[in-house]
Parts: sequence; structure tokens; C-alpha cells
Amino acid sequence: NAGVTQTPKFQVLKTGQSMTLQCAQDMNHNSMYWYRQDPGMGLRLIYYSASEGTTDKGEVPNGYNVSRLNKREFSLRLESAAPSQTSVYFCASIRLTSGDTYTQYFGPGTRLTVL
Amino acid sequence: GQQVMQIPQYQHVQEGEDFTTYCNSSTTLSNIQWYKQRPGGHPVFLIQLVKSGEVKKQKRLTFQFGEAKKNSSLHITATQTTDVGTYFCAYNTDKLIFGTGTRLQVFP
Repeated sequence: NAGVTQTPKFQVLKTGQSMTLQCAQDMNHNSMYWYRQDPGMGLRLIYYSASEGTTDKGEVPNGYNVSRLNKREFSLRLESAAPSQTSVYFCASIRLTSGDTYTQYFGPGTRLTVL
Repeated sequence: GQQVMQIPQYQHVQEGEDFTTYCNSSTTLSNIQWYKQRPGGHPVFLIQLVKSGEVKKQKRLTFQFGEAKKNSSLHITATQTTDVGTYFCAYNTDKLIFGTGTRLQVFP
């Protein structure tokens, strides 16, 4: 049981290049999320997927696209990277435990630098 | 939309001192969660509060949800160097929104 995994761990891009960040979870969770965290800052929600086949915008979706490939996988794509997208990207999934109780599990993060 | 602010932004304490971070919302929250992120790490879920006035304890950590469900606090008694990190509150509707975080530094 690996939990939430992300690839790659580190990436350097040039402005205008594209790339896809991969995320997978093996806990059979319905909801998955993508966040970005800038140095010394909190987490900002980019996109989320409440269930397989659905995706919704979060606080900062511009410049990103997502795909919920299946229940396990939720990818984040940068079509044309910009220096402002330099950040640490976290993927997460949520488990509904009982009643209104949720537990969110985060992946280890992808550190992206755009030159 | 709802805004969740945390204070203080930074806190430096001597090992053994107490620490408190506060989370304040402009509107009523259905629930509040707390996370800890160690330097260079990822956020780790600590606890969720859902009831008005709820208080929960985890060893030296005490979590409280306000009566009006607009604020919450995390109190650490007798801090240790292992408590170093950033503490985030978050609330959940159809998505999870994080507060701004409080970075705790503990000096031995």
C-alpha cells in the first residue's frame, strides 16, 4: 500500500515547454486534488476531482489542465510553462471515514522550476 | 468566498514554552481540519472538528472549535524540537481550502 505517489519528484522546464505531473493513489479514494505551494506560503487548490469522470476548478486553475484517467490516477498538465508556475505541487486524495469525518492524504510533492 | 486567516504567521519559541495558533473565518464553517507540514515535507492530517465548542486532545496538542464555528485554535503544551513545522487549518465543503499557515520554530 503506497498511499499517494507522484512523479516526477523534481523537474526543471524552460518557459513555453509542456509537461504532465502524474499522481496515483491505491487507497480506492473517490476524491483527488492538485495543490501548489509557493515558498513560505500556504496551499492553493488548482483543480480537484470529486469522483471518477468529474473535474472542477479550484482557486488557481489558469495555465493548467487535469485528467482523471480512472479512479486511481489524476494528472496535471502544464501546456506552456511560465516562471510564475515555479512551485511545489502536491497531489492528495480524501477518504471519508465516518459521518462528516474526512482524512486527506498527500503525496510527497513535485518540485518544479520554470526558467 | 470564505476566507480563512491564521495568526500568527510565524512563531519562535524556546523549547518547553507553549504555542497557540488561531484560525479565523469570516463565515460559519461546517468543519475544520488541522495539518502539520515539516520543512521540506508534505502536509499530514492531524484532526478534524465538526461540532460547536468541540475540544480534542492528542498528547500535548489541544484542538478547539469555537462555539460559533467561525474560529479554531491549536495549542501545543511544552513544545519540543520535533514540533517544528507549519501548521495549517483547512475547511471542507465540496473541496478543501487551506488557511495561510503558522510556521513554528522551536529553539533548544
